[in-house]
Amino acid sequence: DTAVSQTPKYLVTQMGNDKSIKCEQNLGHDTMYWYKQDSKKFLKIMFSYNNKELIINETVPNRFSPKSPDKAHLNLHINSLELGDSAVYFCASSQASEVTGELFFGEGSRLTVL
Amino acid sequence: AQSVSQHNHHVILSEAASLELGCNYSYGGTVNLFWYVQYPGQHLQLLLKYFSGDPLVKGIKGFEAEFIKSKFSFNLRKPSVQWSDTAEYFCAVNARAAGNKLTFGGGTRVLVKP
Repeated sequence: DTAVSQTPKYLVTQMGNDKSIKCEQNLGHDTMYWYKQDSKKFLKIMFSYNNKELIINETVPNRFSPKSPDKAHLNLHINSLELGDSAVYFCASSQASEVTGELFFGEGSRLTVL
Repeated sequence: AQSVSQHNHHVILSEAASLELGCNYSYGGTVNLFWYVQYPGQHLQLLLKYFSGDPLVKGIKGFEAEFIKSKFSFNLRKPSVQWSDTAEYFCAVNARAAGNKLTFGGGTRVLVKP
């Protein structure tokens, strides 16, 4: 009954490959996010979707493409993986926007690019 | 430029000691402030938040934080820590001046020795 679940938790792959991380929330929230946590532990927002519509798109390479088939799901697809993509990726959701709402996070997906 | 600063990267203390973690931000104007905690192997969860009103905010598990507007600070405190408080603590700020996006500090890893 995990509120925000991500799969896979761990992903090890070679440079140049394409991979996806899936996220699902069962909280009935309208807004979902992808955050990247780098090796120095800084959490930076990548994307935000509200009711399947892209709201925030930070300066992220276009190799990263989020897809929201419905408001309970926000998947992250990464093309042509590079070494610098190695990080922990967190999915989150909130009822309202980040301004007023509490974010509920998934457990993270650790991506290692070799 | 780093907009949310957590000065301590690692803190080690013994049970029953008092804890204070610093958080400073660089945005002017209206801000909403948060502290999140990530226990080992778990997802980030909200400890407490400040939107307006009493600048001393009480959160879960005996934590509190004080918003000092003149110092651009939102320090987290707990009078007497327990071993179970071992975790990573993240300060986060949502500021209109930053486009209403939640910006996280780099985190402070707290180790409480039994």
